[in-house]
Amino acid sequence: AQSVTQLDSQVPVFEEAPVELRCNYSSSVSVYLFWYVQYPNQGLQLLLKYLSGSTLVKGINGFEAEFNKSQTSFHLRKPSVHISDTAEYFCAVSPYNQGGKLIFGQGTELSVKP
Amino acid sequence: DTAVSQTPKYLVTQMGNDKSIKCEQNLGHDTMYWYKQDSKKFLKIMFSYNNKELIINETVPNRFSPKSPDKAHLNLHINSLELGDSAVYFCASSPGLAGVASADTQYFGPGTRLTVL
Repeated sequence: AQSVTQLDSQVPVFEEAPVELRCNYSSSVSVYLFWYVQYPNQGLQLLLKYLSGSTLVKGINGFEAEFNKSQTSFHLRKPSVHISDTAEYFCAVSPYNQGGKLIFGQGTELSVKP
Repeated sequence: DTAVSQTPKYLVTQMGNDKSIKCEQNLGHDTMYWYKQDSKKFLKIMFSYNNKELIINETVPNRFSPKSPDKAHLNLHINSLELGDSAVYFCASSPGLAGVASADTQYFGPGTRLTVL
């Protein structure tokens, strides 16, 4: 079985400040790791994903994430946030060979204030 | 051009009714999914189809039945609607066949907000 825990349900931050959204997972099988973003009243879109190779993954809009196998974590970071980054962020895992099933964390609401 | 579209966007109905939500993707993808997002924004997979074949069927009540007439469409029919079915339902698609879909990016539709009164 797999589970994903996003450690912060809400993260308020001021514009141009750095931010880190934390994600831990547990799984009895190998998984791929994803971060998706959901802007208000929209569907989800991919920010970045880790499949293999370098543990530092760069995504869209200046976001990056680091896979840490020993800590089973996949934290998302951005060095300087904008108002437009205000959204809900979801960490997810996809177990190998399970048809693309995504198991999501509870989401982190990032609120960027001017 | 809309990649993954859903109709309707909003659906308000009474308990006990039967309703359908339609999903279409014009990306040429082989795999399609249905997810349910509850009032706390928690997302859970319900079904997936790969080229019209059911691949994932999570523990969803039998009142929910997906139908895939072709690989570009995956509809969701719900019988005897209950209050607890109120949620936002998202359709998604991904390019790969079932064996490699785990690594694929999924492309989500805009969602259908279902309200059961």
